Amino acid sequence: GDSVTQMEGPVTLSEEAFLTINCTYTATGYPSLFWYVQYPGEGLQLLLKATKADDKGSNKGFEATYRKETTSFHLEKGSVQVSDSAVYFCALSWTGNTPLVFGKGTRLSVIA
Amino acid sequence: GAVVSQHPSWVICKSGTSVKIECRSLDFQATTMFWYRQFPKQSLMLMATSNEGSKATYEQGVEKDKFLINHASLTLSTLTVTSAHPEDSSFYICSARDRGRGYHNEQFFGPGTRLTVL
Repeated sequence: GDSVTQMEGPVTLSEEAFLTINCTYTATGYPSLFWYVQYPGEGLQLLLKATKADDKGSNKGFEATYRKETTSFHLEKGSVQVSDSAVYFCALSWTGNTPLVFGKGTRLSVIA
Repeated sequence: GAVVSQHPSWVICKSGTSVKIECRSLDFQATTMFWYRQFPKQSLMLMATSNEGSKATYEQGVEKDKFLINHASLTLSTLTVTSAHPEDSSFYICSARDRGRGYHNEQFFGPGTRLTVL
């Protein structure tokens, strides 16, 4: 079946450091790919998405590129802030009424 | 747009009571809603898929008689935890898919409901 694998956390960075959270997927075909963010005590918010190969999703300084050759969708940000501290989930989805398939999540802590 | 609300945001109940959690899509129609459960510091576990006007589809290992799901309209799905016990304590999150957003429509998540069973 389909699956998503994320790098293990927690990740602790100093403010203004460069962030990379690795995400790879296993699926037959080319699903849509997503990054969701969960702040403490809250639900999930869509951070960015890409629907086909070579698409780049971007939002709030975060970027991820859909790489079909490596089946990856790594999340990057050039300069993290304390307010970016959260749990980040990589996910894939097909069309129709299929649910999202989530990775296990990566907790990011940014210290001043 | 694409806001999903949940009510209540948190609830504390005694063992043996039933608790109903509502999930509403406020500004779009959702033919499909999903219910997830999340344990502390863990990922989301899909419990069931709720389709408007039909029976929910439960994931393997989820007791359908314990977690009753009703999707009565295009904007409302409810999850009722019947005869709750302490092991049901968890963070329950719903999501909804906007039927009007086209082919690659993402899911929009509610803020979650924290259930504590004493």
